[in-house]
Amino acid sequence: DQQVKQNSPSLSVQEGRISILNCDYTNSMFDYFLWYKKYPAEGPTFLISISSIKDKNEDGRFTVFLNKSAKHLSLHIVPSQPGDSAVYFCAASLWRGTYKYIFGTGTRLKVLA
Amino acid sequence: GAVVSQHPSRVICKSGTSVKIECRSLDFQATTMFWYRQFPKKSLMLMATSNEGSKATYEQGVEKDKFLINHASLTLSTLTVTSAHPEDSSFYICSASLRLGQIKEQFFGPGTRLTVL
Repeated sequence: DQQVKQNSPSLSVQEGRISILNCDYTNSMFDYFLWYKKYPAEGPTFLISISSIKDKNEDGRFTVFLNKSAKHLSLHIVPSQPGDSAVYFCAASLWRGTYKYIFGTGTRLKVLA
Repeated sequence: GAVVSQHPSRVICKSGTSVKIECRSLDFQATTMFWYRQFPKKSLMLMATSNEGSKATYEQGVEKDKFLINHASLTLSTLTVTSAHPEDSSFYICSASLRLGQIKEQFFGPGTRLTVL
């Protein structure tokens, strides 16, 4: 039972354009969401997060949008840079619960120079 | 701040041996640490939640006698893969939980690549 899904296993974007990575979840109790970037053989690196009381959070080139009614969140990277090429995972958590993170299946982003 | 280390970064062992992986929070105390496993091109799967001074809580399907977790101090948790077999070969990642305001964030270690021959 995959509670957090990223339906696009890969995405290619031209440098300077916008990258949009999507994530869907099934558990309406999740109230905190995060995006991580991961390189092979390394641990995940935190990018940005959003709580369920918000619908948008922005940090530099990264913006996360949350649509609670659709149980959908997305990460926008603009402008995309070759150094952004990595695997991106979304994660969901219960803020006041066990603080466990449930990770999505990941999307491999390739930014073409 | 909030740095988490893992040791070793890579280990190769023979089938039937046990392997211990350490996870340390270097500049903060973590009452809770988590252990994940990642198969190639797959998601990070939570194995267990490690609480300092108490028994770990294992996720469904994870054998607690196979994957022994000890959280002896506020900065150290260990995962021991007992009687390792080739199917235990994987990338193991730990994280340490730190409260930032109202939120408990997880900070991840660099991972340990286990190869069982």
